[in-house]
Amino acid sequence: AQSVTQPDIHITVSEGASLELRCNYSYGATPYLFWYVQSPGQGLQLLLKYFSGDTLVQGIKGFEAEFKRSQSSFNLRKPSVHWSDAAEYFCAVGEGYNQGGKLIFGQGTELSVKP
Amino acid sequence: GAVVSQHPSWVICKSGTSVKIECRSLDFQATTMFWYRQFPKQSLMLMATSNEGSKATYEQGVEKDKFLINHASLTLSTLTVTSAHPEDSSFYICSAIPGVGYSNQPQHFGDGTRLSIL
Repeated sequence: AQSVTQPDIHITVSEGASLELRCNYSYGATPYLFWYVQSPGQGLQLLLKYFSGDTLVQGIKGFEAEFKRSQSSFNLRKPSVHWSDAAEYFCAVGEGYNQGGKLIFGQGTELSVKP
Repeated sequence: GAVVSQHPSWVICKSGTSVKIECRSLDFQATTMFWYRQFPKQSLMLMATSNEGSKATYEQGVEKDKFLINHASLTLSTLTVTSAHPEDSSFYICSAIPGVGYSNQPQHFGDGTRLSIL
């Protein structure tokens, strides 16, 4: 069965430090992979997606993620974290549209940023 | 682009009443929309897939008579929580995939509706 694991429930980093949020997936075919961010009391905003092609994808707000098939991972990175990055981050694997287009979400990682 | 609007953003009502939540795609058409439920400090749980012009597909364990979904147009899906009780209190989020028919696009999410049943 498809699944997504985000091993870190909560991460705290200092402002200006680098960030890496981990995501591992289990999926039978080539996955569609996503990272979303959620601020408290709000919906989800798409940071970036991987469908095919270059395994290093760039997103909004200075985020990037790298798809590593051999490790079944899609880790999110940012070289320098800003206080406004504090939020909940969700990794998701998606079925192709002709399979319903559903998303399977990880448990989420809460990011706190120290001044 | 790809803006999804949810209304209302917050609703408080008495136990036993029915509550309707609207999900609109403002600048695109969407054959497929989704409804999620999110408990505090938890991930999103998919409730159902809403397809324009046809019946919604519910996930296992979700009561279709309790959570009525209507996707009457390519820009609007509604979720009605019927005879709501305190255990239905939650954060409900909708999303939409841009496109009519086949669409290799990501889901775009609304800002959610916080439902509180007294």
